[in-house]
Amino acid sequence: AQSVTQLDSHVSVSEGTPVLLRCNYSSSYSPSLFWYVQHPNKGLQLLLKYTSAATLVKGINGFEAEFKKSETSFHLTKPSAHMSDAAEYFCVVSAGGGSYIPTFGRGTSLIVHP
Amino acid sequence: GAVVSQHPSRVICKSGTSVKIECRSLDFQATTMFWYRQFPKKSLMLMATSNEGSKATYEQGVEKDKFLINHASLTLSTLTVTSAHPEDSSFYICSAEGQGTYEQYFGPGTRLTVT
Repeated sequence: AQSVTQLDSHVSVSEGTPVLLRCNYSSSYSPSLFWYVQHPNKGLQLLLKYTSAATLVKGINGFEAEFKKSETSFHLTKPSAHMSDAAEYFCVVSAGGGSYIPTFGRGTSLIVHP
Repeated sequence: GAVVSQHPSRVICKSGTSVKIECRSLDFQATTMFWYRQFPKKSLMLMATSNEGSKATYEQGVEKDKFLINHASLTLSTLTVTSAHPEDSSFYICSAEGQGTYEQYFGPGTRLTVT
């Protein structure tokens, strides 16, 4: 069994300040973890992924995430928010054990103020 | 990179009619594709897992006779919404699984409006 919890439904930051979007997961197997971004009325774009290699993962647009097994977390960060980062972000877990069906978090809406 | 397309991007249909949505992996073969439904300001809800050459596996609560899925080739899966009702109006998204990567490549989505 697997699950993913995005702790915040909304995160509001000012342009130029750091971004932190939190994600915790549970999995019976070694998971693969992903962060996707969705702009309004658009499909999903992969930001970054963790698949058992380096625990600090760098993605596109300056985002990165750190896999912490002891904390079962995979939080998404960015040092400095841009207005264009305003979107919906989804944390996704896909575990092994013969089933790689992805499980989505509920999403976190990132709001960026000028 | 891996690209997944969906057609159409938007469709409006009358209540009682059927609508087919196509999902194609353009530059890779996908033995497994997934169909999701997304309500406004909500997360993606997995509807079914589509396996090439076999019957789709539906999630609990999803009517298999209403949402017909066909995965006839390694690059194409189709979702047909039969006898559509206004409550079927939603954003439908497909994804294709990269072989051996467990990564999902998502299509751009199809906005279905049933009047």
